[in-house]
Amino acid sequence: AQSVTQLGSHVSVSEGALVLLRCNYSSSVPPYLFWYVQYPNQGLQLLLKYTTGATLVKGINGFEAEFKKSETSFHLTKPSAHMSDAAEYFCAVTVFTGGGNKLTFGTGTQLKVEL
Amino acid sequence: DAGITQSPRHKVTETGTPVTLRCHQTENHRYMYWYRQDPGHGLRLIHYSYGVKDTDKGEVSDGYSVSRSKTEDFLLTLESATSSQTSVYFCAISESPGRLILYGYTFGSGTRLTVV
Repeated sequence: AQSVTQLGSHVSVSEGALVLLRCNYSSSVPPYLFWYVQYPNQGLQLLLKYTTGATLVKGINGFEAEFKKSETSFHLTKPSAHMSDAAEYFCAVTVFTGGGNKLTFGTGTQLKVEL
Repeated sequence: DAGITQSPRHKVTETGTPVTLRCHQTENHRYMYWYRQDPGHGLRLIHYSYGVKDTDKGEVSDGYSVSRSKTEDFLLTLESATSSQTSVYFCAISESPGRLILYGYTFGSGTRLTVV
């Protein structure tokens, strides 16, 4: 079965600094990967996704992620953090065959942005 | 999202009582899911449905049951609520596996359940 691991349950950055949130996946077949964001007391919103093709994917709010098969990673980055980026971020994976009708989520990373 | 609503948004209930949470969608999507969100655990799948009257268990299904008698409604029942079921419950929908990999889920706003 497929899974994702998010390293770091809490990440703190200064406003204007680089944001790096880590996600590693495990899958025996090609994975499809997602990043979601959750603002306080809200549901989850899709930030970006990797399906096939270009390994560097861009999402909303200036975020991007790079699929690296050799490292089984899909880390989320943003060049310059903004206060409004403070939220919880979840990495998720699915596959197209053998149970490929649901997402498996990581444990989440809480991002704090400081002045 | 306007196409998926959860009710109630908040509920406090006593240990041992049955509780039903409702997820309603207007998108006519085939797949519906119930997750629970707990600190340190992320989102964990409770049950999901792949059509009317077609449901299957997720990784944390003990103590929960579901029903789907109409495409638009997916009910989650805690048969006898326990304090360990205090959590935030999210419903999600997806049109198909193919659409899932392209668009992911659409989530509801969640139900915060407290069992005292």
